[in-house]
Amino acid sequence: QQPVQSPQAVILREGEDAVINCSSSKALYSVHWYRQKHGEAPIFLMILLKGGEQKGHDKISASFNEKKQQSSLYLTASQLSYSGTYFCGPEPAGNNRKLIWGLGTSLAVNP
Amino acid sequence: NAGVTQTPKFQVLKTGQSMTLQCAQDMNHEYMSWYRQDPGMGLRLIHYSVGAGITDQGEVPNGYNVSRSTTEDFPLRLLSAAPSQTSVYFCASSYSMQRGVRDTQYFGPGTRLTVL
Repeated sequence: QQPVQSPQAVILREGEDAVINCSSSKALYSVHWYRQKHGEAPIFLMILLKGGEQKGHDKISASFNEKKQQSSLYLTASQLSYSGTYFCGPEPAGNNRKLIWGLGTSLAVNP
Repeated sequence: NAGVTQTPKFQVLKTGQSMTLQCAQDMNHEYMSWYRQDPGMGLRLIHYSVGAGITDQGEVPNGYNVSRSTTEDFPLRLLSAAPSQTSVYFCASSYSMQRGVRDTQYFGPGTRLTVL
């Protein structure tokens, strides 16, 4: 039931791009994306809603394909501050009270 | 606004002891939840509440109790601590009960709990 995130880890040089994928076996209403730095609380990045709405955050954007029950997070021209673990939290259709989180993707951006 | 606050930040318990982790928010959020985070396991939902007086179980509720007597506070009680409950615990809140989690979740700073 847990969504699958890929890749599990990625290492970038500053300025490079990355894509993080999130795939669920359940029909979804929305997908949440959060970033967590080591020893800190997760921080909200964006929510993508059914209907194809995309929302961006600086050079971070995402897409949501509800038919395929997949979401992708795009990090463009990565900055050192992008380092951290990225979690997707799909919201199952018909149950808006729980998110089932992925295991996370560790992203390291090096100078 | 202080946002979401959690106390204590660190706690060491002995097996069998009980304790309460405190969580409070000052944003008038209806939805509040408790997660535990273990290495390699991501965030797992323990209990959640969609408003004062209403609570429900998440994925891993065993060994934990919650209550929600006010909109602001959502304490998590460990009934009889076990080493398997060693974890980092996060409280989170979100704006609207009607929308459930369809809104930004604000996380507290976390409580690091060790059970010996």
